Amino acid sequence: QKEVEQNSGPLSVPEGAIASLNCTYSDRVSQSFFWYRQYSGKSPELIMSIYSNGDKEDGRFTAQLNKASQYVSLLIRDSQPSDSATYLCAPPDNYGQNFVFGPGTRLSVLP
Amino acid sequence: DGGITQSPKYLFRKEGQNVTLSCEQNLNHDAMYWYRQDPGQGLRLIYYSQIVNDFQKGDIAEGYSVSREKKESFPLTVTSAQKNPTAFYLCASKKKYRDSPLSGANVLTFGAGSRLTVL
Repeated sequence: QKEVEQNSGPLSVPEGAIASLNCTYSDRVSQSFFWYRQYSGKSPELIMSIYSNGDKEDGRFTAQLNKASQYVSLLIRDSQPSDSATYLCAPPDNYGQNFVFGPGTRLSVLP
Repeated sequence: DGGITQSPKYLFRKEGQNVTLSCEQNLNHDAMYWYRQDPGQGLRLIYYSQIVNDFQKGDIAEGYSVSREKKESFPLTVTSAQKNPTAFYLCASKKKYRDSPLSGANVLTFGAGSRLTVL
């Protein structure tokens, strides 16, 4: 069974700072990672996917993947109060069938 | 617009009752999933379906049942055998069940969720 771990929250950062969220997994090699954002009481929404080693940037979001270390991070630059949410890491299995979700990291951006 | 519709949004159940949560999608997706989320925790897989008339147990299937008679619909029944059903239930779909992990279409789309409370 694949284990997905995320840095425990809540993570609090001041508005305008960089928020750094981490995710590691064990047991299998995954080809890709997905980051979902979930506001309180709402369903998760996809904000970033990354398939290759290195960095992928999309607006204020940057995902960093290191397959050898089975580690992926999500950086949020110029954090805004609207970024306050729980961020879920979800690598699919080797066949792209089922996803294993991490417990999530709750981010709080303080005005 | 295409999407996933879950109903009801809120549901209350008395002990010993079975309740059914509806999930309908018009995305023409093959695969559908049910997840359970407890406060402060991640998503746990209850059941999934690759195609019509086929479904498989996930990690926490005990006390739940599903059907997949139509491609668009994947209802979840929470039976009286589920001893602690109070949770947030999420339905999701994916274009194909088995797809390359590197495929840009290999992403889950979620419904708005159903919150079940046992009285």
